[in-house]
Amino acid sequence: RKEVEQDPGPFNVPEGATVAFNCTYSNSASQSFFWYRQDCRKEPKLLMSVYSSGNEDGRFTAQLNRASQYISLLIRDSKLSDSATYLCVVYYTTGFQKLVFGTGTRLLVSP
Amino acid sequence: NAGVMQNPRHLVRRRGQEARLRCSPMKGHSHVYWYRQLPEEGLKFMVYLQKENIIDESGMPKERFSAEFPKEGPSILRIQQVVRGDSAAYFCASSPDGTDSPLHFGNGTRLTVT
Repeated sequence: RKEVEQDPGPFNVPEGATVAFNCTYSNSASQSFFWYRQDCRKEPKLLMSVYSSGNEDGRFTAQLNRASQYISLLIRDSKLSDSATYLCVVYYTTGFQKLVFGTGTRLLVSP
Repeated sequence: NAGVMQNPRHLVRRRGQEARLRCSPMKGHSHVYWYRQLPEEGLKFMVYLQKENIIDESGMPKERFSAEFPKEGPSILRIQQVVRGDSAAYFCASSPDGTDSPLHFGNGTRLTVT
């Protein structure tokens, strides 16, 4: 089983739609969680951290469910500029500190 | 210099040659990570280094690949005797302390092996 699993998509949605991505992780010792965004052929950039209580940043809401070991990202009112690949990232320390990236979910927002 | 600097941006090598990829972390960051991204695939962890130390190289192929982060100068990822399968984007990231601080990525080096 992969350490971090994501639905690769692509998710094709019209502008203004709400879209949600899920991510599951296998290591229960995982401590911190993040969503990164990667545009085509560019470097990943931090979108937001994910806290146990859930957190919101504008149109983006992240949730963490430790019991079920999954993380979600909700994007409301999708914009064309949201088209990108969204990477779920899990940090844990089992011997070494490690950030593990999921393979990403691709989002395509169309006019 | 505000960010992680990688060079070259693009590197073309023939099969059998050596590739050297350089990464200068953000100012004040002493922890460097290398990731590889094959076309249409996700980021794969390769190696985690601190100054003069390899902390975790569990993602590095056992042969032909090596990495260093000397006391002075950039971190170097070295690939000897490159093969076509090494063609990928190689990203370097840095963090100040190796904890769960968010990583700052460089623009990457795109290696093409002909």
